[in-house]
Amino acid sequence: GQQVMQIPQYQHVQEGEDFTTYCNSSTTLSNIQWYKQRPGGHPVFLIQLVKSGEVKKQKRLTFQFGEAKKNSSLHITATQTTDVGTYFCAATFTTGGYQKVTFGTGTKLQVIP
Amino acid sequence: DAGVIQSPRHEVTEMGQEVTLRCKPISGHDYLFWYRQTMMRGLELLIYFNNNVPIDDSGMPEDRFSAKMPNASFSTLKIQPSEPRDSAVYFCASSLLGDTGELFFGEGSRLTVL
Repeated sequence: GQQVMQIPQYQHVQEGEDFTTYCNSSTTLSNIQWYKQRPGGHPVFLIQLVKSGEVKKQKRLTFQFGEAKKNSSLHITATQTTDVGTYFCAATFTTGGYQKVTFGTGTKLQVIP
Repeated sequence: DAGVIQSPRHEVTEMGQEVTLRCKPISGHDYLFWYRQTMMRGLELLIYFNNNVPIDDSGMPEDRFSAKMPNASFSTLKIQPSEPRDSAVYFCASSLLGDTGELFFGEGSRLTVL
């Protein structure tokens, strides 16, 4: 089935450093969503990107959707300890008339104070 | 709204026993999803419903797993008989706009099968 690869799998950064996670698909996506899951918690929606080349910002977070709609990235500027968690992209594939959401493997972010 | 409500939060059972997980979606949401999360396999979509009808159950591991949605406010995921490899966190999520909309997740049910 469709797969969404996310890299890196783990990232340790010093507080104040930047962080980026990448999401890649071999097929064109209808849209892409990003979620954050705190340790012991459940995934929480951050944002959805729909248009080719779209860029959205939420405070220190910048989300991009590739021109070919096959990849996306999440960049965090000047990380804080509150950014700790696992970041997932969720890709929508259109197959057989249905739109199916597949989650990436996630990037686990650890911020060292 | 209280959000998506799942029960039980934790379940420890022995191999061979039946397990039933429950979910109450957000009122008005017409899509409901069941996901399973493990370290090895990440977040896997098991099945999803639209207006109480199962749309895609291709992610259901095998016949031991079944899911129902008898009405718009309740869904169950049943495992019978349970096996140790079923140990995972099971999340229920609901959405207003289907697969292209924001998914609201419940707190999850952590299942341990001994």
